Amino acid sequence: SAVISQKPSRDICQRGTSLTIQCQVDSQVTMMFWYRQQPGQSLTLIATANQGSEATYESGFVIDKFPISRPNLTFSTLTVSNMSPEDSSIYLCSALSNRWQYFNEQFFGPGTRLTVL
Amino acid sequence: SQQGEEDPQALSIQEGENATMNCSYKTSINNLQWYRQNSGRGLVHLILIRSNEREKHSGRLRVTLDTSKKSSSLLITASRAADTASYFCATDAANAGGTSYGKLTFGQGTILTVHP
Repeated sequence: SAVISQKPSRDICQRGTSLTIQCQVDSQVTMMFWYRQQPGQSLTLIATANQGSEATYESGFVIDKFPISRPNLTFSTLTVSNMSPEDSSIYLCSALSNRWQYFNEQFFGPGTRLTVL
Repeated sequence: SQQGEEDPQALSIQEGENATMNCSYKTSINNLQWYRQNSGRGLVHLILIRSNEREKHSGRLRVTLDTSKKSSSLLITASRAADTASYFCATDAANAGGTSYGKLTFGQGTILTVHP
C-alpha cells in the first residue's frame, strides 16, 4: 500500500473564490483519481488525473470547474473554481499501482473537507 | 453507469454480534472492494475480491461474491464498538477484455453502529 496525504485537511471559503487541493503519494503510482463526497452521500468519481496530460473527466464534471494537474507520478492537484455552497463536500484523492502486492487495490487520502459560505 | 446499492442502509447491533452488509451492482466487474469510513474521514481499504473469486477472509472480515447475482456481502464477526463506521462497497468495472478501468463506482453505504 501507500501513504497518501492531502492538503489542506479542511477549509472554509467564500463563494466565487477557488481552492486548490494537493495530493501527495509516498511512492510512484500508476493511476490517480479525484472523488467528491457530498454531505451524507457516497463517493462520486470526478476525474482520472493523467500524468503529463489532461485529466479525463466523468459525466457531469468539466475542466473549467475542476482543473486537475498531475506533473509527476506521485503528485496531483484539484482546483475547485468559482465556488458556490453546492460545492461543499469532502474531496478525496486515490491511487493504485501495479507495483503494489495486489494490483487494483485503490487507496485513499484522508480527504479535504470544504465548506463554501 | 452502474450504481452499487447496499443494504441495509443502517444496522445497529450489540458488541459481540455479527454484522452482515450486502451490495448489489449492475454490470460486469473486474473486482469489488470494501471500505470503511469513520465520521466523514478518509476511506480505509478493507478487502478486494476479484471477479473469479467467491470468498475471501481477512481477520474478522469475510467477503463473498456472487457474479451470477451481481452481489457481494461483507460479514464482520464478533463486532466491537470500534467497528462503528460507514461501510461502502465499490465496483471496478471490466472492459471487453476483462481488464480493470481502475475507476470505482460506490454503493450508498451502510451505517453500522455497534453498542458496547
